[in-house]
Amino acid sequence: AQSVTQLGSHVSVSEGALVLLRCNYSSSVPPYLFWYVQYPNQGLQLLLKYTSAATLVKGINGFEAEFKKSETSFHLTKPSAHMSDAAEYFCAVSITQGGSEKLVFGKGTKLTVNP
Amino acid sequence: DTAVSQTPKYLVTQMGNDKSIKCEQNLGHDTMYWYKQDSKKFLKIMFSYNNKELIINETVPNRFSPKSPDKAHLNLHINSLELGDSAVYFCASSQGGLAGDDWGEQYFGPGTRLTVT
Repeated sequence: AQSVTQLGSHVSVSEGALVLLRCNYSSSVPPYLFWYVQYPNQGLQLLLKYTSAATLVKGINGFEAEFKKSETSFHLTKPSAHMSDAAEYFCAVSITQGGSEKLVFGKGTKLTVNP
Repeated sequence: DTAVSQTPKYLVTQMGNDKSIKCEQNLGHDTMYWYKQDSKKFLKIMFSYNNKELIINETVPNRFSPKSPDKAHLNLHINSLELGDSAVYFCASSQGGLAGDDWGEQYFGPGTRLTVT
């Protein structure tokens, strides 16, 4: 079964430091992978997605992720953290079921940015 | 101009009551979903509808009954509410199919925080 695993439920970085949020996937077929962000008391917003067009995917707010098949990984990075990046981040894989797609989410990583 | 809207945003009720959450999308999407986010922030799909037809039902108790009067609306009715139903419920929509730049992308509503006391 296709799934994703997020390593680290909490990540804390200093403002200006590199952000690295880890996601590994399990899939027997080429996966479609997503990163979503959830700010406090809000819904989910798509940061970026991988649909096999390019292995390095650039998203909104300066985030990017690289699909590495050899490592079954899709880690999210940002060169320099801002205070406004503090949020919960979810990695997800899209699974086709009964002619519809559903997202299966990882357990989320809470990012804290320290001044 | 909200893409996916949900009402109410907060819902506090007692055990045993029946309540409904409404969802509307103005994106012209064919597929709509309900997800549940528990107290540990874990998100899990409950249902998906495509053009008013139920496609996915993820072993949700039959106290939960989704209804789609048209493809822009997907409501969630919950009977005999239990303490364990307390969660944030998110509605989402997507275009579906394999065409288009936004394939696979789901647009989420702001969520409804349900508290059962």
